Amino acid sequence: NAGVTQTPKFRILKIGQSMTLQCTQDMNHNYMYWYRQDPGMGLKLIYYSVGAGITDKGEVPNGYNVSRSTTEDFPLRLELAAPSQTSVYFCASSPFAGVGDEQYFGPGTRLTVT
Amino acid sequence: GESVGLHLPTLSVQEGDNSIINCAYSNSASDYFIWYKQESGKGPQFIIDIRSNMDKRQGQRVTVLLNKTVKHLSLQIAATQPGDSAVYFCAEKNSGGSNYKLTFGKGTLLTVNP
Repeated sequence: NAGVTQTPKFRILKIGQSMTLQCTQDMNHNYMYWYRQDPGMGLKLIYYSVGAGITDKGEVPNGYNVSRSTTEDFPLRLELAAPSQTSVYFCASSPFAGVGDEQYFGPGTRLTVT
Repeated sequence: GESVGLHLPTLSVQEGDNSIINCAYSNSASDYFIWYKQESGKGPQFIIDIRSNMDKRQGQRVTVLLNKTVKHLSLQIAATQPGDSAVYFCAEKNSGGSNYKLTFGKGTLLTVNP
């Protein structure tokens, strides 16, 4: 299994541009998550999904959108990119969300908005 | 604010020594705790977890201790190796609440000197 894969690895955006960060998992996990990690900080949850067709906001959803049309894919959309969205973005998945269900993380996408 | 934090942001040890990384949490309802390791340029990787009905759990070269009385969590790494150099995060979950959500601390940078 490849686990959780993310593309692209790096991206530079100009202010006001938009882009989609791709995330795919091949473990047939129900739950998927998007986090952002600012320098020297822990991860903050942006959006999550409990299954295909179901998404919900996390702690810091403003400026982002998600969709979950399949179990495998969970893309994160940035509209009108702002410098405050410069961060490293991690996608994760877990089979369920109970005690003992660890989250598996992708390698991350480093985004710079200038 | 964050309910999970770390006492020491950096820790430097000699190869072969034991390392102890500490974490405080404030949510007494949290019942599941995880330690993640994040190497430079990579996503967080699960190390070990512990449920709130336990006070100690051992893995390969790692031990997690949980003191619910003072809301304290620690990760002990035995015979620390250069490959252990990374940022270590603790995370907590309240499975009775929004059980999708992991709350991460800011992380401790562990540097192992040869």
